[in-house]
Amino acid sequence: KNQVEQSPQSLIILEGKNCTLQCNYTVSPFSNLRWYKQDTGRGPVSLTIMTFSENTKSNGRYTATLDADTKQSSLHITASQLSDSASYICVVSGYRGSQGNLIFGKGTKLSVKP
Amino acid sequence: GAVVSQHPSRVICKSGTSVKIECRSLDFQATTMFWYRQFPKQSLMLMATSNEGSKATYEQGVEKDKFLINHASLTLSTLTVTSAHPEDSSFYICSARPGWNTEAFFGQGTRLTVV
Repeated sequence: KNQVEQSPQSLIILEGKNCTLQCNYTVSPFSNLRWYKQDTGRGPVSLTIMTFSENTKSNGRYTATLDADTKQSSLHITASQLSDSASYICVVSGYRGSQGNLIFGKGTKLSVKP
Repeated sequence: GAVVSQHPSRVICKSGTSVKIECRSLDFQATTMFWYRQFPKQSLMLMATSNEGSKATYEQGVEKDKFLINHASLTLSTLTVTSAHPEDSSFYICSARPGWNTEAFFGQGTRLTVV
């Protein structure tokens, strides 16, 4: 069964600290993995997208890693800011029929405190 | 990046009435649009896949007669919740992509409250 598991479910950190979010998946065949940031009451916004051949990709203070062998990904946030408070969703794209399909994780809710 | 606009952002309706939500791709043509529903503290759940000019493909358990989807043009898809009930209250999000395995861009979501 295609699944995406994220941990932790929620996380509280102090402003300025770093943190790492985890994503494990069992989606097969695998096309790509994306990390999205979703503010409360808003739609998800893409942070990074990686194919199986990419090990790491950065977007400002966000760095995503991918290990396609172990089917694990992480999202590292450096020097956190209050505006980083949001849900971070790991999404894996597989194949279904003639189209790619997206499998969503439940997200990690990050709270950055002053 | 590409912009997907969803309207309205919030709507409150009476039980038994119908509500239409619009999803527009503003700067690209979307051959495929997706409609999701998200309950509190849950992940996005795909409701249906909409291809321009053809009937939508609904996920198992989603009533196609209740959630009417129209994708009449390459830039507009609509979701109509018919005979809404309080249990239909949720956050509805659309996404659109230019090609079959390209980046998917999300709308800002619509908070539906049925009273």
